[in-house]
Parts: sequence; C-alpha cells; structure tokens
Amino acid sequence: AQKITQTQPGMFVQEKEAVTLDCTYDTSDPSYGLFWYKQPSSGEMIFLIYQGSYDQQNATEGRYSLNFQKARKSANLVISASQLGDSAMYFCAMRKAGTASKLTFGTGTRLQVTL
Amino acid sequence: KAGVTQTPRYLIKTRGQQVTLSCSPISGHRSVSWYQQTPGQGLQFLFEYFSETQRNKGNFPGRFSGRQFSNSRSEMNVSTLELGDSALYLCASSLGTSGVGTQYFGPGTRLLVL
Repeated sequence: AQKITQTQPGMFVQEKEAVTLDCTYDTSDPSYGLFWYKQPSSGEMIFLIYQGSYDQQNATEGRYSLNFQKARKSANLVISASQLGDSAMYFCAMRKAGTASKLTFGTGTRLQVTL
Repeated sequence: KAGVTQTPRYLIKTRGQQVTLSCSPISGHRSVSWYQQTPGQGLQFLFEYFSETQRNKGNFPGRFSGRQFSNSRSEMNVSTLELGDSALYLCASSLGTSGVGTQYFGPGTRLLVL
C-alpha cells in the first residue's frame, strides 16, 4: 500500500520569501510518480509539479521546484518568491506507474503568505 | 484546451434522496477518476473509468456508482444519501495510458446532505 505523510498542518511565510513544504512517502512499487497540487478556498485542485521515480533531476516549474530524495523517500515542494496568491492548501500525492490512475493524497499543508 | 468541467457546482439534498454528478474531461483524455474530500477523511479515491469500463475502485459502499460514456464524459451517482455523504466531489481526467500520467482536476461539486 502507498502512504503519503505531510507533517506540517500549517505554515506561514512572508511575501517574497521561499518556503519548503514537506512530504514523505512509502511504497514498495519501483516505478511511481509524485505530484503536488494546490487547492485554494474555491476547492479546485490545481496541478503544480510532477516527479517520476526514475527522473535523475529534480523537477522545476517556474517558482515551484521539487526536492526529490529517493533514498529518504521525500519529495518536498519549494516555492520561491512567495506571493499572496500562494495562500492555499497544498497536497502531496503519489500513484504507481501503470494503467491504474488512483492517486493517494497526504493530509495537506495550509500555507499562509503574509505581508 | 478547455479544462475539466463538473456540474452542478453546488447541490443540496436531503437524506434518502439520490444524486447524479457529471464530469466532462479534457478533450482527448480517456480516463476519469472521482474523489471525495471531507474534513475528517481527507481526499479519498472513489473509482476510475477508462473507455467506458470501471478500471479501479476505492473502498466505498455500493451506494456510490458511476459510469462513463463513449465521449469519455462520466457521471457519478449516490443513492440513499446519508449525512456523511456531504463532501466536495472532485473529478480528474488523464490520458489513461500506461506510465504515470498527470491527473487534472475539475472545480468540484459541493454536496450538502440535510
């Protein structure tokens, strides 16, 4: 079975600062993907970034980067130059490779960006 | 490309009623997955449909069912509603082929059961 752990229920960061949201995972599958989603108060889950288990380099998408440490089974999200609009819930998720599309989610981290 | 759309966005029902939610995936995506999000249980996988067939199922009672049409649009049905079914229901679409595909979510349907 797969499991995602997000140990930070809430985080504060000042505008323009960088912030790291933690995510650790557990799986016995050799091939899998890790995802981060942002969920504003409106409810929609917005895809941010993806890391494949065999990817050699850490994924980056604009201000988002994923610090992937496979041996430690961690996939932390780094948001650089935080903006007020980054205030939201952030979910780490994973799924194994193959045709089954089931995503396993963590409990989420609520990020609040302050002036 | 248009994103994933879900209708209706908000719904109020009473216990014992049934409800049908609809999801239209991104054009070209053949896989549609449904998730339930509640404050207590978090995000839980309901089921996935691919090419009109249920390919994967979560641990939900038989009151929760779904189907997919030939144009990949999907519907989810909940019969005999219970108070605990109040939740945000999210639909996600992906290509559905092998590998690890990204799932893109719709805005969700907020269901309130009174």
